[in-house]
Amino acid sequence: KQEVTQIPAALSVPEGENLVLNCSFTDSAIYNLQWFRQDPGKGLTSLLLIQSSQREQTSGRLNASLDKSSGRSTLYIAASQPGDSATYLCAVRTNSGNTPLVFGKGTRLSVIA
Amino acid sequence: ETGVTQTPRHLVMGMTNKKSLKCEQHLGHNAMYWYKQSAKKPLELMFVYNFKEQTENNSVPSRFSPECPNSSHLFLHLHTLQPEDSALYLCASSHAGGVRSEAFFGQGTRLTVV
Repeated sequence: KQEVTQIPAALSVPEGENLVLNCSFTDSAIYNLQWFRQDPGKGLTSLLLIQSSQREQTSGRLNASLDKSSGRSTLYIAASQPGDSATYLCAVRTNSGNTPLVFGKGTRLSVIA
Repeated sequence: ETGVTQTPRHLVMGMTNKKSLKCEQHLGHNAMYWYKQSAKKPLELMFVYNFKEQTENNSVPSRFSPECPNSSHLFLHLHTLQPEDSALYLCASSHAGGVRSEAFFGQGTRLTVV
C-alpha cells in the first residue's frame, strides 16, 4: 500500500529565503506525482505535475524534482514571499492514470515579512 | 477558479437530517472523486467514478451515498451522520488515464454535524 510522507510538518522562514519541501513515497512504481497548495479552509490548487519519466518541472519560482528510484520528490520555492504561506501537499498516482491520488499530510509553510 | 465547483461551501446539519453535496466540473474530465479532509490527517479517498461508473469505494459507511448522473456532476448524499463526520469534503476531477491525468479540486464543503 502506497504511503506518502512529508517533512517537515511545519516550517517558518523569513521573507526572501529559498526553501525546500520534502516528499517521500514507499512504492516507487508511480505514474505521476502532483504538488498542491491549500490555503486555510479552502480547496487544493494544483502547482506542478511530474510524470514518472520526468526529473523535474518548473513554474515561476517553483521547481519540483522527482527521483523515482529513491522514492523522493522535492519542491523548491525561490525568494519566498508572505503570499506563499499555505499548506503544501504532495500526492502520487500509482501504476496508471486511472488510480486515485494518495496524499501526504502536508507541510504548513509560514513566510514572515 | 479551478473549473470544479462545489456547493454548498458550508453546511451545518443535525444527526437526523438528510442533505446532499454537489460537485460540477466543466473541464471535460471523465473521472471524479470525493475526498474527506479531517484535522491532522491526510486526505482520505472516499469514492471514485470513471466514466460515470463507481470504480472505488474506500470502505465508506453507508450513511454516505454517492451519485454520478453524468461525467460532469457528482453528488454525495448524507443521512444520519455522526459528529465525527464533520470535516472538509473535497471533490476532484481528472482525465482517467492518459499522459496528463492532472487532478483539479473544488473549494470544498465545510460540513459540521451537530
